[in-house]
Amino acid sequence: AQSVTQLDSHVSVSEGTPVLLRCNYSSSYSPSLFWYVQHPNKGLQLLLKYTSAATLVKGINGFEAEFKKSETSFHLTKPSAHMSDAAEYFCVVSELTNAGKSTFGDGTTLTVKP
Amino acid sequence: SQTIHQWPATLVQPVGSPLSLECTVEGTSNPNLYWYRQAAGRGLQLLFYSVGIGQISSEVPQNLSASRPQDRQFILSSKKLLLSDSGFYLCAASHTNTEAFFGQGTRLTVV
Repeated sequence: AQSVTQLDSHVSVSEGTPVLLRCNYSSSYSPSLFWYVQHPNKGLQLLLKYTSAATLVKGINGFEAEFKKSETSFHLTKPSAHMSDAAEYFCVVSELTNAGKSTFGDGTTLTVKP
Repeated sequence: SQTIHQWPATLVQPVGSPLSLECTVEGTSNPNLYWYRQAAGRGLQLLFYSVGIGQISSEVPQNLSASRPQDRQFILSSKKLLLSDSGFYLCAASHTNTEAFFGQGTRLTVV
């Protein structure tokens, strides 16, 4: 079985400061991991994905995430927050043996203060 | 590129009325298809997934049903809506172990 835990339901940062959104996962097999962003009343946009290649993954809009198998973590970071980064972020795990079904974390709401 | 069309964008329906939400996929064939529901302030809950025409798996017991009459068409239905069916519904498509692509969602309010 697979599961995802997003450790913070809300994160607030000031514009220009670093962003850290934490995610831990559980998976019986080698998982694929994803981060999605959702702006209000919109669909989900893929930020980045890990599929067993390089452990440090770079995504769009300056985001990156590092896959740490020993810690079962896939934290999302960005060196400098922008006002447009304010949104909901979802960490997602998917397993090859599970018909590709994705399991979502409960989401982290990122607020960016001016 | 893969595109998912989902409609309508918003819907207000009375309790007890039927529901039909449609999702179509372009740019790929034989996708896995999914319906998710997002309740207010919560993550996404998988409702149904389909690995092929006529093949539907339900993840949670509920008042809804799903059908896949064509390879790239996925329909979410209800015969009688409940207040608890309100939420944001997202259709998604993927191939095994690849990222999922999402439609823009339908905001359903049952009154």
